[in-house]
Amino acid sequence: DTAVSQTPKYLVTQMGNDKSIKCEQNLGHDTMYWYKQDSKKFLKIMFSYNNKELIINETVPNRFSPKSPDKAHLNLHINSLELGDSAVYFCASSQGAAGKSSGNTIYFGEGSWLTVV
Amino acid sequence: GNSVTQMEGPVTLSEEAFLTINCTYTATGYPSLFWYVQYPGEGLQLLLKATKADDKGSNKGFEATYRKETTSFHLEKGSVQVSDSAVYFCALRPINTGGFKTIFGAGTRLFVKA
Repeated sequence: DTAVSQTPKYLVTQMGNDKSIKCEQNLGHDTMYWYKQDSKKFLKIMFSYNNKELIINETVPNRFSPKSPDKAHLNLHINSLELGDSAVYFCASSQGAAGKSSGNTIYFGEGSWLTVV
Repeated sequence: GNSVTQMEGPVTLSEEAFLTINCTYTATGYPSLFWYVQYPGEGLQLLLKATKADDKGSNKGFEATYRKETTSFHLEKGSVQVSDSAVYFCALRPINTGGFKTIFGAGTRLFVKA
């Protein structure tokens, strides 16, 4: 039983295309995230949703549009893909916010390897 | 602002050697601190955490102590194994973002040779 699952795992696409990455968590968490990891392994938060509401948007180009149809899903749609979008995108989830011990741990999916050619 | 700085890698050790990966942070108040590990081809997994000063997190032989006075959370292991080869991320969750933002360091790649 995968706690945080994202699809596809690998995606190769041409510049200018539009693509989506889907994410689902079965942990009952109320907070979900998208992180981007570049080729040097640097991990940066892109978005955070709590109860389907956008909480954090870290100056991500508006070509990136997250959508959360319910608390268990957070999909990432990318328009007009560019070479620099090539990276590994990680979906993650957690329960609640800081101050609650059970809410501190983030659970990550296995990543989606996006290559733009 | 809030930030995490960890030692640059890669770190290459022989099996059974002692490991230290340094991590220091900048944050307001008392953030929660974490170490995550990423094995090749996989997502990040929580390795250990500490939520208040002087707490020691430990798991799988790894330890880290939350030092408020030095704003550090160094990762240590007494005897590494080849299977410990991975990328290790230090992270903090600041209080002033409502807990919805975890900030990661740049990661330190560890290679352990047999």
